[in-house]
Amino acid sequence: AQSVSQHNHHVILSEAASLELGCNYSYGGTVNLFWYVQYPGQHLQLLLKYFSGDPLVKGIKGFEAEFIKSKFSFNLRKPSVQWSDTAEYFCAVGVTGGGNKLTFGTGTQLKVEL
Amino acid sequence: SAVISQKPSRDICQRGTSLTIQCQVDSQVTMMFWYRQQPGQSLTLIATANQGSEATYESGFVIDKFPISRPNLTFSTLTVSNMSPEDSSIYLCSVGASGETQYFGPGTRLLVL
Repeated sequence: AQSVSQHNHHVILSEAASLELGCNYSYGGTVNLFWYVQYPGQHLQLLLKYFSGDPLVKGIKGFEAEFIKSKFSFNLRKPSVQWSDTAEYFCAVGVTGGGNKLTFGTGTQLKVEL
Repeated sequence: SAVISQKPSRDICQRGTSLTIQCQVDSQVTMMFWYRQQPGQSLTLIATANQGSEATYESGFVIDKFPISRPNLTFSTLTVSNMSPEDSSIYLCSVGASGETQYFGPGTRLLVL
């Protein structure tokens, strides 16, 4: 079975700082990769996803993530964070052809200070 | 993406009682899922709700505790039976879209006393 690790549980940044959240997965086969975001008081929203092709994927609100197959990683990045990016971020992995079933990481709580 | 609603949005229940959570989608979807998010933890898949057949449960979850109905392609219910304080969680419904993406409902926040 696949598993997902998010190493940063809590991150505090100042506005305009750069962000990188780590995500590593363990699975020997082909995977689909996702980042979801949960803003305070809101429900989970899809931030970006990778299925195949260009390993650098761009999502909403200036976020991007890079799939590095050799490292089993799918780190989330943003060059300059804003206060409105304060949220919890979840990395998730789905097995290709696995019927949409997702395995989630434990989440990273990001706080952006003014 | 599909618009998903859940009822109730939150509830406080007494130990030993049961609560049924409803999930409604604004379009027909093949795949519907139920997740649990316990305090301070990540999302854990409870089961896949199959239309016209019994739900498929993940390891650690059983039908007697979490019976699921899926009468059509836009609606599902999850019942949390014989509740204990350990069942206090957020329960989320999600739907599968094309390309194996999932979209999530707003969740039901349950507190069991």
